[in-house]
Amino acid sequence: EPEVTQTPSHQVTQMGQEVILRCVPISNHLYFYWYRQILGQKVEFLVSFYNNEISEKSEIFDDQFSVERPDGSNFTLKIRSTKLEDSAMYFCATTTGNTIYFGEGSWLTVV
Amino acid sequence: KNEVEQSPQNLTAQEGEFITINCSYSVGISALHWLQQHPGGGIVSLFMLSSGKKKHGRLIATINIQEKHSSLHITASHPRDSAVYICASRGGTSYGKLTFGQGTILTVHP
Repeated sequence: EPEVTQTPSHQVTQMGQEVILRCVPISNHLYFYWYRQILGQKVEFLVSFYNNEISEKSEIFDDQFSVERPDGSNFTLKIRSTKLEDSAMYFCATTTGNTIYFGEGSWLTVV
Repeated sequence: KNEVEQSPQNLTAQEGEFITINCSYSVGISALHWLQQHPGGGIVSLFMLSSGKKKHGRLIATINIQEKHSSLHITASHPRDSAVYICASRGGTSYGKLTFGQGTILTVHP
């Protein structure tokens, strides 16, 4: 059973629509991260989250993006108004000690 | 800003061959990860190194901090090793904030 579960595995959305990607770690991990991988490109860091607040974010993570942990288990990434260039695989990750665990990814296609 | 570069970008091997994938980075780091990404997209951590060498089964990872270079070796390669291998560096104290290389696509033929 994976340490980190992501949903949905694949979502197609219209440009301008809001999208929420979800991540559920199995055990009590405290540090959470979102990454994205545009097709054919490197995986890029978006944001890190600890103790219910953003600890670090990249230039990519602009006002269109937000993260929260609404119920103590789910960790969500929201894209408010999707653009074509948001099409990518989005990975959630968590760390415990020096070990990092990635989810299987959520493939977002914006049309 | 740290840049992480891998070579080769593509690697084809015959089953049983010894494989080496190289990774270089531009600034000092606190640790380096080797990751495996399968065609479905999921990423699995293979190693985390801050110095020296680690071995797990047929996989060996080494790092030279002075030369800012790491290598991943696969001994007796097998078709099931076919995947994308990615190195990613960690700069500071945030354990999960990584800078990724572009990945090496490995194909092992029977």
